[in-house]
Amino acid sequence: AQSVTQLGSHVSVSEGALVLLRCNYSSSVPPYLFWYVQYPNQGLQLLLKYTTGATLVKGINGFEAEFKKSETSFHLTKPSAHMSDAAEYFCAVSDRSGSGTASKLTFGTGTRLQVTL
Amino acid sequence: KAGVTQTPRYLIKTRGQQVTLSCSPISGHRSVSWYQQTPGQGLQFLFEYFSETQRNKGNFPGRFSGRQFSNSRSEMNVSTLELGDSALYLCASSTPGQGYTEAFFGQGTRLTVV
Repeated sequence: AQSVTQLGSHVSVSEGALVLLRCNYSSSVPPYLFWYVQYPNQGLQLLLKYTTGATLVKGINGFEAEFKKSETSFHLTKPSAHMSDAAEYFCAVSDRSGSGTASKLTFGTGTRLQVTL
Repeated sequence: KAGVTQTPRYLIKTRGQQVTLSCSPISGHRSVSWYQQTPGQGLQFLFEYFSETQRNKGNFPGRFSGRQFSNSRSEMNVSTLELGDSALYLCASSTPGQGYTEAFFGQGTRLTVV
């Protein structure tokens, strides 16, 4: 069975500082990997994804993540935090077998990012 | 094009009642998945429907059920509501194919059981 571990339920950074949100996964084969963002009372918005190819993936709003198979990690980074980045971030995995759909996702417990002045 | 639409956005029900939530996927998407989000359990997969058939099911009691119509719209039903069913219920749509296909989420239905 797949699982996702997000280290740190709350992360606080100053505006302009580096954002680093950690995600480790457990899977028998390399899965599809995702980062989603959720603003209060909203659904989930896909930030970026790793499916195949280049292990450093760039997403929206200046975020990027690197797939490291040896470390089973997919940490999310952004060089300079902005106040508008304050939200909850979820790492998720989906297996590559079967239909190929990414609609059955296993999520981490989420990391709430706070950005301070 | 229009995104995933979930109705209603907010709902208050009494313990023991039943509730039906609706999800209209993005036009052309044939797969609909449902998730429950609670502070204690996080985001958990409920079930997935494709072409009116349930294809995957999460670990939830039989009180949780769903269906999908020929136009791909989906409903989920929870019977005999319990206080613990209070949650944000999210629907996602996608279109299965070769390789990876992205799931798009709706804004959710916030269910409060009192």
